[in-house]
Amino acid sequence: RKEVEQDPGPFNVPEGATVAFNCTYSNSASQSFFWYRQDCRKEPKLLMSVYSSGNEDGRFTAQLNRASQYISLLIRDSKLSDSATYLCVVRGDYKLSFGAGTTVTVRA
Amino acid sequence: AAGVIQSPRHLIKEKRETATLKCYPIPRHDTVYWYQQGPGQDPQFLISFYEKMQSDKGSIPDRFSAQQFSDYHSELNMSSLELGDSALYFCASSATTSGYTFGSGTRLTVV
Repeated sequence: RKEVEQDPGPFNVPEGATVAFNCTYSNSASQSFFWYRQDCRKEPKLLMSVYSSGNEDGRFTAQLNRASQYISLLIRDSKLSDSATYLCVVRGDYKLSFGAGTTVTVRA
Repeated sequence: AAGVIQSPRHLIKEKRETATLKCYPIPRHDTVYWYQQGPGQDPQFLISFYEKMQSDKGSIPDRFSAQQFSDYHSELNMSSLELGDSALYFCASSATTSGYTFGSGTRLTVV
């Protein structure tokens, strides 16, 4: 079983829609959680860290549920530029574990 | 702001050759990570270094080795290259738990 599992996607949504997806992790001792965005053939870039109390950054909201060991990402009022693969990343000790990514395509 | 620098950006090697990838972390970052991302796959952790010492090891083949030098740059050495080694190799660095910065990657093609 992979350490980090994500909704497979792809999610195809119209501009302005809300899209949300989850990620589960298997290591209960995981320490930090992040959402990264990866555009085709480019390096992952940090979208936001995920805090226990949940956090929001503009149109993006992240939630962490330690009891059920999952994190979520919600994108409101989606833009064409939000089209990307979103990687769930979990940190334990000295390594980061990645999910397989959720592909989001926003159409006009 | 300075980012993580990787070189070369692209590399083409033949089977059984060797390759050396370099990573220059953000200044004052004390941890370096190496990841391999095959086509259509998520990044796979290879190895990490903290303060120039190996801190964790993932799915790194025995044909690969890595080290971090006194100036904190790191090198990934790959020998007896195989076609399946063709991938994007990312280096990331960090200093705190607030996030990790990735380099632009080295695209290795083994022919």
